[in-house]
Amino acid sequence: AQSVTQPDIHITVSEGASLELRCNYSYGATPYLFWYVQSPGQGLQLLLKYFSGDTLVQGIKGFEAEFKRSQSSFNLRKPSVHWSDAAEYFCAVQSGGSYIPTFGRGTSLIVHP
Amino acid sequence: DTGVSQDPRHKITKRGQNVTFRCDPISEHNRLYWYRQTLGQGPEFLTYFQNEAQLEKSRLLSDRFSAERPKGSFSTLEIQRTEQGDSAMYLCASSADSYEQYFGPGTRLTVT
Repeated sequence: AQSVTQPDIHITVSEGASLELRCNYSYGATPYLFWYVQSPGQGLQLLLKYFSGDTLVQGIKGFEAEFKRSQSSFNLRKPSVHWSDAAEYFCAVQSGGSYIPTFGRGTSLIVHP
Repeated sequence: DTGVSQDPRHKITKRGQNVTFRCDPISEHNRLYWYRQTLGQGPEFLTYFQNEAQLEKSRLLSDRFSAERPKGSFSTLEIQRTEQGDSAMYLCASSADSYEQYFGPGTRLTVT
């Protein structure tokens, strides 16, 4: 069965600082990987996805993520955080033969001015 | 098209009552999903439809829960005899033939 671990429940950064949110997955084959963002009281918005090919993927709002097969990781990064990035971030994994993703428990990003 | 919509956005009900939520997906999307999200957790899959066919249901979906998508367009999720443990955010998402899902704003259910 596939699973996702987001080891950090909360991350606090200063505005303008760089950000890395961790995601580790468990799945036998090459998974499909996603990062979503959720603002308070809202649904989830897709930031980026990885299916195959280049292991460094670019997303919206200046985010990127790198797939590392050897570490079973798909960490999300942003070089300079803005106050509007404060939100909940979810990593999700999906097997190639399934249309149902498994989500991590999320990481809450707090941005200090 | 403005995306996935859900109605109502908030619902407060008393234990034992029935509730029904509606989801309107993006019009050309053939897949529709329901998730439940509790505080501090990611979305948990409940069920999904391809067109009007309900293809998979989670073990989380007890007999008190039922979902329909009668014409392959909008969907409803009904919870009968609500319990306090049903309090959660219920999210709907839709997708086309890709794996990318588009989420609605959710319906927050509070059972008192």
